[in-house]
Amino acid sequence: ETGVTQTPRHLVMGMTNKKSLKCEQHLGHNAMYWYKQSAKKPLELMFVYNFKEQTENNSVPSRFSPECPNSSHLFLHLHTLQPEDSALYLCASSQGSAREQYFGPGTRLTVT
Amino acid sequence: DQQVKQNSPSLSVQEGRISILNCDYTNSMFDYFLWYKKYPAEGPTFLISISSIKDKNEDGRFTVFLNKSAKHLSLHIVPSQPGDSAVYFCAATRAKTSYDKVIFGPGTSLSVIP
Repeated sequence: ETGVTQTPRHLVMGMTNKKSLKCEQHLGHNAMYWYKQSAKKPLELMFVYNFKEQTENNSVPSRFSPECPNSSHLFLHLHTLQPEDSALYLCASSQGSAREQYFGPGTRLTVT
Repeated sequence: DQQVKQNSPSLSVQEGRISILNCDYTNSMFDYFLWYKKYPAEGPTFLISISSIKDKNEDGRFTVFLNKSAKHLSLHIVPSQPGDSAVYFCAATRAKTSYDKVIFGPGTSLSVIP
């Protein structure tokens, strides 16, 4: 595997389910990001981790819970989501500056 | 309030012609600008960038122009090819570290017609 990988690529979940999104970067970067992209809207930064420490929580509801066990892996734990949370969730990584981010392919999430 | 705007949701261009994608920003503190390209079912990939100390940056068929006084930048693709059909995101930042944010526009969907 190279670059940034995300699993699953598609996820359909009910509002009472608990699921997790996984991201793995194979680039040796020290920062990882979660973004949300809703239809026709800009990418919205959700969380930033530097050296496994969360440095940004962009007013994200607590039903989204990130976890970064090491600098290569990032999870987004989901519980009791709402239909409006349906979106494309993108993971990215960078080394040093946020200017040069490498994105994964995203997880298309549908909340029913 | 969007800090980075792309007012054209979509654009269609004939193959071989020039594609011009526009972007406006509101924050004069931004000093670095990027364009990302996104195909369906893939994540955005970096295309080209420009620092605020320049007004033009060229990379092959892609050229980005920056007009700081107008807070406007544009991406020119010449000649356009069908493989250029994708969504293009403009982004702006003053990020020097990973602690700073990159602000993305909503994207413009480019279709290059063979």
